[in-house]
Amino acid sequence: QVQLVESGGGVVQPGRSLRLSCVVSGFAFTSHGMHWVRQPPGKGLEWVGVISYDGSKEQYADSVKGRFTISRDNSMNTLYLQMNRLRAEDTAVYYCAKDLLPNNWGSRGFDYWGQGTLVTVSS
Amino acid sequence: EIVMTQSPVTLSVSPGERATLSCRASQSVSSNLAWYQQKPGQAPRLLINGASSRATGTPARFSGSGSGTEFTLTISSLQSEDFAVYYCHQYNQWPLTFGGGTKVEIK
Repeated sequence: QVQLVESGGGVVQPGRSLRLSCVVSGFAFTSHGMHWVRQPPGKGLEWVGVISYDGSKEQYADSVKGRFTISRDNSMNTLYLQMNRLRAEDTAVYYCAKDLLPNNWGSRGFDYWGQGTLVTVSS
Repeated sequence: EIVMTQSPVTLSVSPGERATLSCRASQSVSSNLAWYQQKPGQAPRLLINGASSRATGTPARFSGSGSGTEFTLTISSLQSEDFAVYYCHQYNQWPLTFGGGTKVEIK
């Protein structure tokens, strides 16, 4: 069955960095774009960014552009989110999610999500 | 950025009744819209994409409609497991955006 497992969350001071990982199984990882979506405690969903199936293209929300970078290792079935210059407003549960669209650039929505990892930015 | 606005914020419904949730886009997203259900402590679950296509495993009591800027999610007869928060999501253009959510609660 399809599984996405995030890790790497924790408490970090403002201005510091953190890297999240998402290990996937049960589907052809190399064929699908992958997204990060976050959810501040008690609030709604916010799309963070996407990386194409082959790692050649990325897009980001304005709120994280220039600070966050998404990458992937297709040989390890792993997605990453490098978060730099963290701010208090980055505090959230971070989910990785699989795009429905195979072998193309774009999106058709997210059919599988991980369970999320909590990032708390606080001094 | 396309702003997605959901209404109402909270919907109080009795089990067995019909629920109608609305989602409006600030500009056309064609039919590139999805609906997700989220229960407390869980990740969102895809219910509908393409505005009206039920995802695998979505019960038939859930239906989506609309195109352009106005969309609706209808739950024909609410079951106890349907009380949750529902989000609409446009994937027509970057950046992708979500609505603020509608909480469906027991009346």
